[in-house]
Amino acid sequence: EAQVTQNPRYLITVTGKKLTVTCSQNMNHEYMSWYRQDPGLGLRQIYYSMNVEVTDKGDVPEGYKVSRKEKRNFPLILESPSPNQTSLYFCASSFIGNLGEQYFGPGTRLTVT
Amino acid sequence: DQQVKQNSPSLSVQEGRISILNCDYTNSMFDYFLWYKKYPAEGPTFLISISSIKDKNEDGRFTVFLNKSAKHLSLHIVPSQPGDSAVYFCAASDPGAGSYQLTFGKGTKLSVIP
Repeated sequence: EAQVTQNPRYLITVTGKKLTVTCSQNMNHEYMSWYRQDPGLGLRQIYYSMNVEVTDKGDVPEGYKVSRKEKRNFPLILESPSPNQTSLYFCASSFIGNLGEQYFGPGTRLTVT
Repeated sequence: DQQVKQNSPSLSVQEGRISILNCDYTNSMFDYFLWYKKYPAEGPTFLISISSIKDKNEDGRFTVFLNKSAKHLSLHIVPSQPGDSAVYFCAASDPGAGSYQLTFGKGTKLSVIP
């Protein structure tokens, strides 16, 4: 089954404790992206990657890091989480030639206290 | 500055009637537009798209209309069904500029009442 998986689905952590949210896709997509969804703000792009070792900032990259060492994986790293990073995070992927039709993961709800 | 605007946070429609969700954009370089649907506790799923060379695209009960001069698009759902109750996001991109970003609106929550 074609899918995008994210782990963990729920996470409660404390300020400053480094964490990683993993994202994996099995569709051989070149493009992968991270979004955060906040009430009243919709979906905002954090980082995206067009292929292995190629990443770029989205609209709200501050406080986040990503890496793309393999085509299927695109982890999101919060080196020193802060309460304003409490949010619902989505990973998405697509073929480069079909960027609009992205497949989204189920989401990771992160709470930073 | 919000480049994609969905000014109605919510919409309630009777089952069997038409649902019309609206979206406005400010960036005249956008030339590809999409609608995504999102159920609670799930990721958004792609619904329908339209390129700027068209003014209408239809897929079953879903039709998207694009008015480039007004920088406005709308999604029509006919007839509306209770299973259509979800949050709908409008999104836009400017592929011609080599941009690989999708800009989303804030979403409209549609409730279809049986």
